[in-house]
Amino acid sequence: SQQGEEDPQALSIQEGENATMNCSYKTSINNLQWYRQNSGRGLVHLILIRSNEREKHSGRLRVTLDTSKKSSSLLITASRAADTASYFCATGFNDYKLSFGAGTTVTVRA
Amino acid sequence: DGGITQSPKYLFRKEGQNVTLSCEQNLNHDAMYWYRQDPGQGLRLIYYSQIVNDFQKGDIAEGYSVSREKKESFPLTVTSAQKNPTAFYLCASTGTSTDTQYFGPGTRLTVL
Repeated sequence: SQQGEEDPQALSIQEGENATMNCSYKTSINNLQWYRQNSGRGLVHLILIRSNEREKHSGRLRVTLDTSKKSSSLLITASRAADTASYFCATGFNDYKLSFGAGTTVTVRA
Repeated sequence: DGGITQSPKYLFRKEGQNVTLSCEQNLNHDAMYWYRQDPGQGLRLIYYSQIVNDFQKGDIAEGYSVSREKKESFPLTVTSAQKNPTAFYLCASTGTSTDTQYFGPGTRLTVL
């Protein structure tokens, strides 16, 4: 079942601007992950944050996790045209399975 | 070159036919997964396998079957019992020491 829900569903920004998307989930988790999918391709793992972590950085990506609110956010700074893609959050438990949200489609305008 | 391969990239099926989608990985991962993705939606889990010769149903297993005879291979058969099989199918794998899943490029199945 899909536990994560991303918000907004779609986002259009100018190159160089920051993009922020949010993910909410319903039950306790072991970790939360963000993936990127370019049109018609497989998913690529971006970043993983564990339930005992609050913030994590990777290059131009910043992820926060608030377990009390059951929510996470992904910030992409200084966006580029190559960041145009769909972004999915996925929640992990202790059973090797991930539950994916419906995704946020990000369009970066030149 | 390590990774996950899926074949074919595009597949067309006539009504009433069974078709098999291939998924192979050379990452030495124990666990493998099959997901279905419909337009504008997230991924839904069809089947997963944590070890050779063992697999479990996911959320939408009806009309699908799998086998796991080798560690590197996890083929998915879409049977004629699956009434709406047109979708994008993604295979993934993960090792025991990581929670990250690695995805193949996907197979787009269309029913004619």
